[in-house]
Amino acid sequence: GAVVSQHPSWVICKSGTSVKIECRSLDFQATTMFWYRQFPKQSLMLMATSNEGSKATYEQGVEKDKFLINHASLTLSTLTVTSAHPEDSSFYICSAPERVDSYEQYFGPGTRLTVT
Amino acid sequence: AQSVAQPEDQVNVAEGNPLTVKCTYSVSGNPYLFWYVQYPNRGLQFLLKYITGDNLVKGSYGFEAEFNKSQTSFHLKKPSALVSDSALYFCAVRPQGTGGGNKLTFGTGTQLKVEL
Repeated sequence: GAVVSQHPSWVICKSGTSVKIECRSLDFQATTMFWYRQFPKQSLMLMATSNEGSKATYEQGVEKDKFLINHASLTLSTLTVTSAHPEDSSFYICSAPERVDSYEQYFGPGTRLTVT
Repeated sequence: AQSVAQPEDQVNVAEGNPLTVKCTYSVSGNPYLFWYVQYPNRGLQFLLKYITGDNLVKGSYGFEAEFNKSQTSFHLKKPSALVSDSALYFCAVRPQGTGGGNKLTFGTGTQLKVEL
């Protein structure tokens, strides 16, 4: 199956700083990628849909100025958490369908963000 | 709007016994249904999907699921559980067609614990 990677796998940052998380499709091109947030022992919450060559589409309640998404190429999407606060600490997961008409998504291994 | 319910937060089963993890869904029209598994601090791994055709779907690691349209259910099953099956399991749904894109809606997850 297709492979999606994320970098870093974990990051600790100080409150008020920004942190960037990368999501890469390793063996396929992804015009669309999805960013999820997962709190401990809870489900995945879709944050936004990243679209190559256009603006991301954010889900209701997600602050687009705080969670900046850039789909720089067909294999890379980045999520930047700006002015991070402790409540932003979470597990962030990206996914991508292998093709536009694919039924299933391939998920990255996730990034654990801790804001101190 | 689509939704997924996983009524059990945790399921405990003895190794060698059959297991069932329940899932019911609500979606406009016909659904695409998925099961994913998540190990601690890892991303989601695809187990199986129902798109169309035979209601009994077989997937990875000996898992299977049965689509029941009248009961709007898609329960995950395995005839003989292994300790290594212990993980967090997510059911997900998206409507057929392209209107919803590839956006998945996840259930809240069920923690499966298989004991010796």
